[in-house]
Parts: sequence; C-alpha cells; structure tokens
Amino acid sequence: NAGVTQTPKFQVLKTGQSMTLQCAQDMNHEYMSWYRQDPGMGLRLIHYSVGAGITDQGEVPNGYNVSRSTTEDFPLRLLSAAPSQTSVYFCASRGVGSYEQYFGPGTRLTVT
Amino acid sequence: EDQVTQSPEALRLQEGESSSLNCSYTVSGLRGLFWYRQDPGKGPEFLFTLYSAGEEKEKERLKATLTKKESFLHITAPKPEDSATYLCAVLGAGNMLTFGGGTRLMVKP
Repeated sequence: NAGVTQTPKFQVLKTGQSMTLQCAQDMNHEYMSWYRQDPGMGLRLIHYSVGAGITDQGEVPNGYNVSRSTTEDFPLRLLSAAPSQTSVYFCASRGVGSYEQYFGPGTRLTVT
Repeated sequence: EDQVTQSPEALRLQEGESSSLNCSYTVSGLRGLFWYRQDPGKGPEFLFTLYSAGEEKEKERLKATLTKKESFLHITAPKPEDSATYLCAVLGAGNMLTFGGGTRLMVKP
C-alpha cells in the first residue's frame, strides 16, 4: 500500500493563478480531509469528505474548492491564489469506525 | 468551540532525561484525544488514541494519559531519535479534529 500520496511536493504560484493539489489514497477509506499548517497556528481543517459525492467545509474554507468523484481521490483547488495561502498542505484519510487518520507527506505552497 | 493548547512550545532534553508534554483541551462531547508525531518535512504520524479519563496507552518510551481536562505524553529515558514535534488533537461532537500548536522536542546525546 502506498497509503496517502500528494502531488506536487513543492509549488510556487503568482498571485491570481489557480492550481489543483492532488491527493489519493489506496486504503479504501471513506473519510478524507485537507489541512493547512502554518507556524504557530497548528493544523487547520479546510474541507473534508465523508464519502464519494459528499463534501463539507472545515474551519478555513475560503479560497478553496473540493470535489470527491471517487473514493480514492480528493483534489483541492485554489481558485485565485493569494499570498495568505502560502502554507504546507496535508491530506489525510481514515476509515469508517476508526478515528486513526493517515496523513500524506504534504505540499509546500508559496504564493508570491 | 473546541480548543487545544499544548505546552511547552519547545523542550530540550538530554538523552535519558525523562519528561512530560501537556495537552489541555476544552471540547463538547469528547469522542477521542489523539497524539501524533511529526518529523521535519513530513506528515503527522499517528501514535495514540485515548477515549476516556483514566485511560493510558504505551508505545516504547512513550506513555499517554488522559484526564477530563488534559492529556500528558510522558517520555521515559528519551533518545535522540525521539526528537520531533508532538501534536495533540481532539474530536468532539462534530466531524472535525481540532489540533494544538504542537511541542517541539529536541533530545541531545
């Protein structure tokens, strides 16, 4: 099992550009989430999904879009990048009936 | 609103010097308290889940305990390879985990 994979590992964007961060898991997990991690702020939930076709907002959803067309994939879209979105982004997944989350290796995003 | 506060922010220990990390929380309807380890440049790695006050879990040199207001991660005779950031999180009545800011542990040989 590869677990949770994320691409790209690093990305630099200019203000106003859009992009998609990719996340995939091969553990057949129903729950998937996106977090951002900023110094001194801890991990904050952006969006999450409890299954294919179902998504919901987390604590800091503004400026981000998600969809879940398959169990395996949960992409995060930045619609118009802003410097405030400079952060490290983590995708995570867990199975039904388990609270143990598995995190991906992260994507470090810089917006200039 | 669920809240998690971890202390200290950073902790330097000599190899073999035991200590404890603290995680204080307020949550409505605790469904679980979680400890993760995070190495630089990597995603958090799950360590423990605690469900109710009085529960304890152990793994090698680490032991996690839980009361109604806080959790402790005790590190016994730490080694340099225990150096990492340790994250605490709670799951309340909603579907969302709330994380603390983490404690950065440095163990010197």
